[in-house]
Amino acid sequence: DVKVTQSSRYLVKRTGEKVFLECVQDMDHENMFWYRQDPGLGLRLIYFSYDVKMKEKGDIPEGYSVSREKKERFSLILESASTNQTSMYLCASRQGLAGPSSTDTQYFGPGTRLTVL
Amino acid sequence: SQKIEQNSEALNIQEGKTATLTCNYTNYSPAYLQWYRQDPGRGPVFLLLIRENEKEKRKERLKVTFDTTLKQSLFHITASQPADSATYLCALERAGNMLTFGGGTRLMVKP
Repeated sequence: DVKVTQSSRYLVKRTGEKVFLECVQDMDHENMFWYRQDPGLGLRLIYFSYDVKMKEKGDIPEGYSVSREKKERFSLILESASTNQTSMYLCASRQGLAGPSSTDTQYFGPGTRLTVL
Repeated sequence: SQKIEQNSEALNIQEGKTATLTCNYTNYSPAYLQWYRQDPGRGPVFLLLIRENEKEKRKERLKVTFDTTLKQSLFHITASQPADSATYLCALERAGNMLTFGGGTRLMVKP
C-alpha cells in the first residue's frame, strides 16, 4: 500500500514564526501536492510538484513556498505564519500525470492541523 | 469561473437504506471525476473514478453515475451501514495535472 506520512498531526505556532511541514511518500510517485482544508471551503491546492526541484503554484500560493529536493519528500514552508493560515494541511502524491487515460489517483497523508496564535 | 457544488448539509439516513449524494459542476469539461471518503481527522481516501464516456461505475455497494449533459455525478451507497458515516468528496480533473475538490457532504447512517 502507498503510504504518505506527514511530520506532525498537530502543530501550534506563533504569528511571525517560520513553519515547516514535511511530507514523505514511499511509492516513488512523481507528483506531490499540498492542500489546505477549511470548513465550508473544501480542499484548496496550494502548490504541487511533478518532479524533483520542480514546483507549480496552485490556487492559493500566497504566503507559502515549497521545496522538493528529493523525490520522496515535499515540504511546505510558511515564511511568516499568520493567524489566517490556521488550517488542516494535507499532503498527497500521485504516480503519473492526470488525463483521460490515466487511472492514477491521489493518496493523501493524515493531515497536519496547524494553529497559529 | 469553475465551480463544484456538493450539498453542505449533512445527509441523515437509516441503516439499510440507499444514500445518494450529489456533485454538480459548472464551467468544467472534466475527462473524469473521482469520489473520496474522508473520516474526521484523516486524509481523504480514494473510492471510485468514472470517465466522461462511462455512464455508471460500480464497486461492491457503491455506484457512481456521471451525466456530462447535466454536469452532475451521483454517488450511491446501497444497504448503508453506520460504518459508512463519513464525509464524501467529489473531485474533477482539470488542466495542468490538477484536481479540484468539492466541499464534501457529510453522511450519517443511523442504526
